[in-house]
Amino acid sequence: EVQLVESGGGVVRPGGSLRLSCAASGFTFDDYGMSWVRQAPGKGLEWVSGIHWNGGSTGYADSVKGRFTISRDNAKNSLYLQMTSLRAEDTALYHCARGGNNQDFWGQGTLVTVSS
Amino acid sequence: DIQMTQSPSTLSASVGDRVTITCRASQSISTWLAWYQQKPGKAPNLLIYKASSLEGGVPSRFSGSGSGTEFTLTISSLQPDDFATYYCQQYNTYPITFGQGTRLEIK
Repeated sequence: EVQLVESGGGVVRPGGSLRLSCAASGFTFDDYGMSWVRQAPGKGLEWVSGIHWNGGSTGYADSVKGRFTISRDNAKNSLYLQMTSLRAEDTALYHCARGGNNQDFWGQGTLVTVSS
Repeated sequence: DIQMTQSPSTLSASVGDRVTITCRASQSISTWLAWYQQKPGKAPNLLIYKASSLEGGVPSRFSGSGSGTEFTLTISSLQPDDFATYYCQQYNTYPITFGQGTRLEIK
């Protein structure tokens, strides 16, 4: 069974940093690109970042470019999102999802709240 | 960035109805389009990829069509489980972008 379990969310002050993790199981992790997708409370879906199966290619939404960094450790079946210079508008539920293009499996998400 | 525009934003329909949701891209995306269903408090669920390919396990009452800039998601006969929010997504070009969503409500 495919499982994606996110962790690392929490409350952080504006300008702060946070590192999200996603533990993958039930599939061959290094066969797939991966993505982070977020959803602000009561709002729609926003793709945040994606990474190629080998980490050799990455992409970012304009809203996070230069502040967020996606990475992966295929030996640990794990995906990461390093978030810096956080803003109130980054407050959202962050989902890890399988697929660097469309996303066929999603985790339940980890909540990030940016507030003073 | 490619903008994705869905219509309508809200759709009221009854069980058994045939419904269609439209998604327009601001530039051609070939058939690199996906549709997702999301229920409250749940993660999205992939329904359709490559504009018209049905994801495994998705009921055949869901279908997708289109290419270039105009796409549709059709539900042939609404079931109670189908009342949810639907999103289109282009993955032709990074950054990947979603439509704003269509909320399908019970009439």
